[in-house]
Amino acid sequence: EVQLVESGGGLVKPGGSLRLSCAASGFTFSSYSMNWVRQAPGKGLEWVSSISSSSSYIYYADSVKGRFTISRDNAKNSLYLQMNSLRAEDTAVYYCARDPYGSGSFDYWGQGTLVTVSS
Amino acid sequence: QSALTQPASVSGSPGQSITISCTGTSSDVGGYNYVSWYQQHPGKAPKLMIYEVSNRPSGVSNRFSGSKSGNTASLTISGLQAEDEADYYCSSYTSSSTDNYVFGTGTKVTVL
Repeated sequence: EVQLVESGGGLVKPGGSLRLSCAASGFTFSSYSMNWVRQAPGKGLEWVSSISSSSSYIYYADSVKGRFTISRDNAKNSLYLQMNSLRAEDTAVYYCARDPYGSGSFDYWGQGTLVTVSS
Repeated sequence: QSALTQPASVSGSPGQSITISCTGTSSDVGGYNYVSWYQQHPGKAPKLMIYEVSNRPSGVSNRFSGSKSGNTASLTISGLQAEDEADYYCSSYTSSSTDNYVFGTGTKVTVL
């Protein structure tokens, strides 16, 4: 069974940092592109970042570029999102999601982890 | 990158068919066959319903179908059921900015 489990969310002050993790199981993690997608409270979905299977290709939304860093450790079946210089508008549930086709179609999602940026 | 445009809400009675539109530009929806649709129930993670415009993942009911014409993609739900009441989002690959993908504004489907 494919499972994605996010962790690392919490309350952080503006300007602070947080590192999210996504533990994958039930599939060959090293064969898939992975993504982070977020959803602010009561709002729609927003794509944040993607990383190819071998980390050769990495992309970011303009809204997080220069502040967030996506990475993965295929030996540990884990995906990460390092978030620096956090702002109130980064407050959201962050989901990790698998992209099996390399076309932005996310077939499995984690349960999400809430990040709250507030003083 | 602006979000793709979806109607805020669509409603229908059980058994009816409804269609949700998703309007973008030639840099996203119109330019690529990389449109997906997601269903999200309250407090839950999104679920992939359609990928690459019209393909259904294994396990998704054939009551859900997707299509595209020009810069507008559509999701049709036929034989509407109470369990279909949820939020629906489209998404597309985009070449208009450094963003890779863009989501739609979301549509609340209500089963009357």
